[in-house]
Amino acid sequence: KNQVEQSPQSLIILEGKNCTLQCNYTVSPFSNLRWYKQDTGRGPVSLTIMTFSENTKSNGRYTATLDADTKQSSLHITASQLSDSASYICVLPYSGGYQKVTFGTGTKLQVIP
Amino acid sequence: DVKVTQSSRYLVKRTGEKVFLECVQDMDHENMFWYRQDPGLGLRLIYFSYDVKMKEKGDIPEGYSVSREKKERFSLILESASTNQTSMYLCASSVRQGADRSGAFFGQGTRLTVV
Repeated sequence: KNQVEQSPQSLIILEGKNCTLQCNYTVSPFSNLRWYKQDTGRGPVSLTIMTFSENTKSNGRYTATLDADTKQSSLHITASQLSDSASYICVLPYSGGYQKVTFGTGTKLQVIP
Repeated sequence: DVKVTQSSRYLVKRTGEKVFLECVQDMDHENMFWYRQDPGLGLRLIYFSYDVKMKEKGDIPEGYSVSREKKERFSLILESASTNQTSMYLCASSVRQGADRSGAFFGQGTRLTVV
């Protein structure tokens, strides 16, 4: 069973609107959580990293939150643009694994005019 | 600008062929990874290497092998390509964990079709 679950699987929003993507994880112990953006046909690019002591972090119009108690993270996109159309992937290191990570299956976001 | 470069964006190979996917990084990273990405399954680790000539199996190593003769280069080999190896292949590199705040850097991907 995947230890990182993302929702929704896909999402369509109008340009200029906000949206929130969810990531629930069971990986333990927790060290950090990353969000990646993957444009169609491209490799993922890191957006932000959250460590245990951080509960909010912003990167431009992207704001990630973390609740380590409920093991949930969210990625909020403000004033969406067409260029935000991509898959967003939540990633955590393996528990006990050597330098390995577990990827969520991603949320595919489409921003339409 | 940091770079991970994969030798091909698109490849079409026949069943039974031996296939080489090459990846080069220019960041002097210790770790290099090969993943495959399939719809609904996310990225799955095939192999990774934490040093020259060192390798470790990932979650789905069957049907694949790897080679890392130089620090900057990591090759994925499909010994005898099969149709179920049709996929997007992604190479990545990173510094050793603990010193890493920037995550893994990915190549642009190779979309392999086996016919």
